[in-house]
Amino acid sequence: AQSVTQPDIHITVSEGASLELRCNYSYGATPYLFWYVQSPGQGLQLLLKYFSGDTLVQGIKGFEAEFKRSQSSFNLRKPSVHWSDAAEYFCAVVNTGNQFYFGTGTSLTVIP
Amino acid sequence: EAGVTQFPSHSVIEKGQTVTLRCDPISGHDNLYWYRRVMGKEIKFLLHFVKESKQDESGMPNNRFLAERTGGTYSTLKVQPAELEDSGVYFCASSQDLDIGYGYTFGSGTRLTVV
Repeated sequence: AQSVTQPDIHITVSEGASLELRCNYSYGATPYLFWYVQSPGQGLQLLLKYFSGDTLVQGIKGFEAEFKRSQSSFNLRKPSVHWSDAAEYFCAVVNTGNQFYFGTGTSLTVIP
Repeated sequence: EAGVTQFPSHSVIEKGQTVTLRCDPISGHDNLYWYRRVMGKEIKFLLHFVKESKQDESGMPNNRFLAERTGGTYSTLKVQPAELEDSGVYFCASSQDLDIGYGYTFGSGTRLTVV
């Protein structure tokens, strides 16, 4: 069965520091992986997605994620966090029926 | 183009009452999805419409939930009668076709609180 685990419920980083949000997935076939972000009062916005090919994926807002099949991971990174990055981040895998399976989310706080 | 619109953005109702959530997908998107996030849990799939037909409703929690999409445009999700455990954020999404993950746009959600 498909599932996604985000082990960190909440993370606090200083502005300008680097960020890594963890995501592990369970999926029987080649996974289609996504990271979404939800800012307060906003919808879920797609940051990046991985379908195949290069395992390092670039997304919007300076985010990137690396697919590691051996570790069943798809961690999200950003080299320098901005205060506007404070939001909730969701990792997801999608099945062949175009149904998303999300993790429980990681809430990011950015301190000045 | 306009995005996926959901309203109301917030709703507070008493246990036993009825609430109807509405989702307006992006114009021309045949596929419409409902998801729900209960507090502290993951966002979970509820159902999928293709035009006005229910393609997959395997995620609907029980028969107190009724989703409709008359005419294949906007969709409503009715909860009747509402229970405390129905509290959460209800997301709607739409896509133009079924290519995996392609063009899947989410709305901002309806936060439902049942007291």
